[in-house]
Amino acid sequence: DIQMTQSPSSLSASVGDRVTLTCRASQSITNYLNWFQQKAGKGPNLLIYGASRLQIGVPSRFSGSGSGTDFTLTISSLQPEDFAIYYCQQTYSFPLTFGQGTKVEIK
Amino acid sequence: QVQLQESGPGLVKPSQTLSLTCNVSGGSITSGAYHWTWIRQHPGKGLEWIANIYYSGSTYSNPSLRSRVTTSLDTSKNQFSLKLSSVTAADTAVYYCARTFNNYADYWGQGTPVTVSS
Repeated sequence: DIQMTQSPSSLSASVGDRVTLTCRASQSITNYLNWFQQKAGKGPNLLIYGASRLQIGVPSRFSGSGSGTDFTLTISSLQPEDFAIYYCQQTYSFPLTFGQGTKVEIK
Repeated sequence: QVQLQESGPGLVKPSQTLSLTCNVSGGSITSGAYHWTWIRQHPGKGLEWIANIYYSGSTYSNPSLRSRVTTSLDTSKNQFSLKLSSVTAADTAVYYCARTFNNYADYWGQGTPVTVSS
């Protein structure tokens, strides 16, 4: 199985901050990497697919980059509604696997 | 607008079979462009992929659950289903269904909590 490791596990940031989350795969997954946002009590919401493609309807302050084993999700200017847990997921091979999540909290 | 809605019993006894259904509206499950996915989330934990179901009838499931997982499509009702046999407390989780297009799950249900307890 491909292991997905996210860092940090949590972070505190202020509104307006630039935030970068990292996801590392245990082997190359080319660009088969998705990012999801999950708010408390809700299902996950797709933000980025194919490592860098912004899902329709997602604000442009979200961006993704990377290929191979190392990926980042950047929020250029953190907004109050962005405080949530973020998960990466690889779809390169079965079984599909997720990272353990990064919780973004208000400073 | 595509919408997915999970349904099923919120409480299942140990050793029994958990049965969940996902109703899809705003799109057809017979479209070959999509496949259909089950994912679960243990309390306070991360996400675990369970299975993908394809219109062709193919299913790919997590090896950790494969021997207990059965999936199916009901095209007459535009629904797909998950059965998980021989459940234990470790199967207590929120279960999500989702639509997958080109390797990404773009629409999700709201999730249904399932507790395994006697």
